[in-house]
Amino acid sequence: IQLTQSPSLLSASVGDRVTLSCKGSQNINNYLAWYQQKLGEAPKLLIYNTNSLQTGIPSRFSGSGSGTDYTLTISSLQPEDVATYFCYQYNNGNTFGAGTKLELK
Amino acid sequence: EVQLQESGPGLVKPSQSLSLTCSVTGYSITSNYWGWIRKFPGNKMEWMGYISYSGSTSYNPSLKSRISITRDTSKNQFFLQLNSVTTEDTATYYCARSRGITPFDYWGQGVMVTVSS
Repeated sequence: IQLTQSPSLLSASVGDRVTLSCKGSQNINNYLAWYQQKLGEAPKLLIYNTNSLQTGIPSRFSGSGSGTDYTLTISSLQPEDVATYFCYQYNNGNTFGAGTKLELK
Repeated sequence: EVQLQESGPGLVKPSQSLSLTCSVTGYSITSNYWGWIRKFPGNKMEWMGYISYSGSTSYNPSLKSRISITRDTSKNQFFLQLNSVTTEDTATYYCARSRGITPFDYWGQGVMVTVSS
């Protein structure tokens, strides 16, 4: 399954509601996760199984979707959210999206 | 707390084998799944494979002829061997844990490996 993330680069202001998209080439059956990776750090699991929030992750992060289309939403962007965000499917094989780089405007 | 740490040479010559170790503390590798993921220059991420609590393995089909993941339960370590490397194997290599029903939740810091003569 190929994953297409959009946009590849997103500029937003502190406090903005931000939406990142991930589209699969086939049905992912909700086996979709989101990772945040800051420069020089390991990826951090934010969301798994489409909408389950990983322990310790702020509630401003949420996930939704079904079938082939999935979304990560940050309800109110904070400065520490600047990072690259990857989606990852584990329904059929294991593949990552190319990432969305989120920066502050 | 679960902690993972990769180690191994940072430079490998083309056609040789890349060998990395992941040392795990705070959790036994005889539970759950333990995998390797790499990130290429330019950001592309690739799942390479895993070894399970029982010692069974699963590999990315694109690597299947070159990859081997093994473990030493007495040292709570697992290993990656990638044979016949080329410059296209230059990447940052991460080890990570999966609980099976959920994706990788704990990751090492990563080790950068360059393939160059």
